Amino acid sequence: ILNVEQSPQSLHVQEGDSTNFTCSFPSSNFYALHWYRWETAKSPEALFVMTLNGDEKKKGRISATLNTKEGYSYLYIKGSQPEDSATYLCAFKGNTPLVFGKGTRLSVIA
Amino acid sequence: GAGVSQSPRYKVAKRGQDVALRCDPISGHVSLFWYQQALGQGPEFLTYFQNEAQLDKSGLPSDRFFAERPEGSVSTLKIQRTQQEDSAVYLCASSHGQNYGYTFGSGTRLTIV
Repeated sequence: ILNVEQSPQSLHVQEGDSTNFTCSFPSSNFYALHWYRWETAKSPEALFVMTLNGDEKKKGRISATLNTKEGYSYLYIKGSQPEDSATYLCAFKGNTPLVFGKGTRLSVIA
Repeated sequence: GAGVSQSPRYKVAKRGQDVALRCDPISGHVSLFWYQQALGQGPEFLTYFQNEAQLDKSGLPSDRFFAERPEGSVSTLKIQRTQQEDSAVYLCASSHGQNYGYTFGSGTRLTIV
């Protein structure tokens, strides 16, 4: 059974704080690592698809890094805003369809 | 269409009833996936289609769950004789292929009472 772990489970930060969370995944049979943002009552929105060890991707104030050898990825949010409040999901792509972690629920307090 | 469309958005059914959930994928996307998200959990894989062929149904929890995509576009997930543990959000996603990014619908929140 493939295990994708995310930590922390939930996080409360003040507006303007920077934050980061972790996704760990199997280091074998790696094809890609996906990050999604899921706001309540909306569809999960793709943030990044990362495939190469050492990859670093950025989208506005959000960035992600990837280490496939040790099996982890970090997601960073710089200067958190209330609209960043959502659940952030990572998903591992090996030789099966995407396997998701349980997500990190971020609340940004104004 | 512009995105993946799922219907209904919300469904309440009595235990023992049959339900059918619909997914309209992005036009031209060959791959279609169904996931189940229970409260406090991440999305769990149910089944995967490539065009009309169901290539993987290993995640379907029991033989009460059945999915089809007869013409390679719209898909229906059917749950027979629903049980309380079937209460969850059912997400559908489509992509150009299994190794591409997935586009998700908003999900159907199913509540069994």
